[in-house]
Amino acid sequence: DAKTTQPTSMDCAEGRAANLPCNHSTISGNEYVYWYRQIHSQGPQYIIHGLKNNETNEMASLIITEDRKSSTLILPHATLRDTAVYYCIVRGKTSYDKVIFGPGTSLSVIP
Amino acid sequence: NAGVMQNPRHLVRRRGQEARLRCSPMKGHSHVYWYRQLPEEGLKFMVYLQKENIIDESGMPKERFSAEFPKEGPSILRIQQVVRGDSAAYFCASSPPVRMNTEAFFGQGTRLTVV
Repeated sequence: DAKTTQPTSMDCAEGRAANLPCNHSTISGNEYVYWYRQIHSQGPQYIIHGLKNNETNEMASLIITEDRKSSTLILPHATLRDTAVYYCIVRGKTSYDKVIFGPGTSLSVIP
Repeated sequence: NAGVMQNPRHLVRRRGQEARLRCSPMKGHSHVYWYRQLPEEGLKFMVYLQKENIIDESGMPKERFSAEFPKEGPSILRIQQVVRGDSAAYFCASSPPVRMNTEAFFGQGTRLTVV
């Protein structure tokens, strides 16, 4: 079962930052926070992951609270193509740790 | 995720036929995972395989479904005697050997329609 809770849906104006929250209060010390998204029934796409430090890549930033019980995915300048379901996932770092999806957050970017 | 190849992209089968879904992992990846997404539902884990081994099949239905990942060739998800309820998108993901800290990459899926 998924170990995270996310809002069911969110809206964001095009060009603004999209901030997607995730709660993972039962995360253990060796588990990472991963974010994936699924655009209109395509295959899930990896976005970013982190352990305890904030992370940034070309797609997004990940802010993890100091107690690691929650995190926020930030899309700095949302576009219409960012409309998707976003999944926050907690898992170990090895390939033995399968990705378990929850319901995710359906993000709608509005013109 | 362009590196994980699934075929066919679309598959239509009549009730009672067999469906074979193929997944070629990214180069250098030795772990494969299969997921099912029923219409308007979330992604559900089915099975996790390494070459010639099933590691975790806790999400596989008890009957009619099987998976393999042979030493050579793609991973195969096989559904025997398909029923309408098997209509879904089936996604495959792959990841590198265990010791590497990395994400799993997904293919574009096979959409199975049972008529």
